[in-house]
Amino acid sequence: GQNIDQPTEMTATEGAIVQINCTYQTSGFNGLFWYQQHAGEAPTFLSYNVLDGLEEKGRFSSFLSRSKGYSYLLLKELQMKDSASYLCAVRDRNSGYSTLTFGKGTMLLVSP
Amino acid sequence: DADVTQTPRNRITKTGKRIMLECSQTKGHDRMYWYRQDPGLGLRLIYYSFDVKDINKGEISDGYSVSRQAQAKFSLSLESAIPNQTALYFCATSDSPGGEGGTDTQYFGPGTRLTVL
Repeated sequence: GQNIDQPTEMTATEGAIVQINCTYQTSGFNGLFWYQQHAGEAPTFLSYNVLDGLEEKGRFSSFLSRSKGYSYLLLKELQMKDSASYLCAVRDRNSGYSTLTFGKGTMLLVSP
Repeated sequence: DADVTQTPRNRITKTGKRIMLECSQTKGHDRMYWYRQDPGLGLRLIYYSFDVKDINKGEISDGYSVSRQAQAKFSLSLESAIPNQTALYFCATSDSPGGEGGTDTQYFGPGTRLTVL
């Protein structure tokens, strides 16, 4: 099985930087994904890490350390529209199939 | 046009009724998934299909069944709905890792909000 932990809620100020952490335990790690989900809407893909290191995409960056079972999503120059839930998901390869297990999500509230 | 569509978007039904939720995609992906989302529990996998002839149970398949009618269509059925199946249901698709540039990233439909009274 898998265990994925991320903080339930975080708050930050417009224009600031926020880091959302995710820790996981899995036997067949095969990639980690971050999704953004606004209330009542579909999750949308943000980033993918399969090797150790930092992946940067504009204001968003994601880091992975496979040996530590740890990832973070870094959001820079926060905007009000970044208020959303951020989902960490780990892909596990077992028995020839790869499926995603999602964490419960971190609700980020950006205030003026 | 959206790449992944779900119908209906909202449904209210009564305990014991049979319900079908439908998902269609124009992304040309082989893999399709059904999830449910409940407050405080996150997204949980119900069923998944890696091609038309392949159906697999996910974490919480009891009370649900699926049909993969074509590469582009994957439907979820609740044979006899019960109140604790009230949730937001999402369909997702992904390209197989062996596909051109494929990373098996999942892309989600807009969701179906189901209420069972």
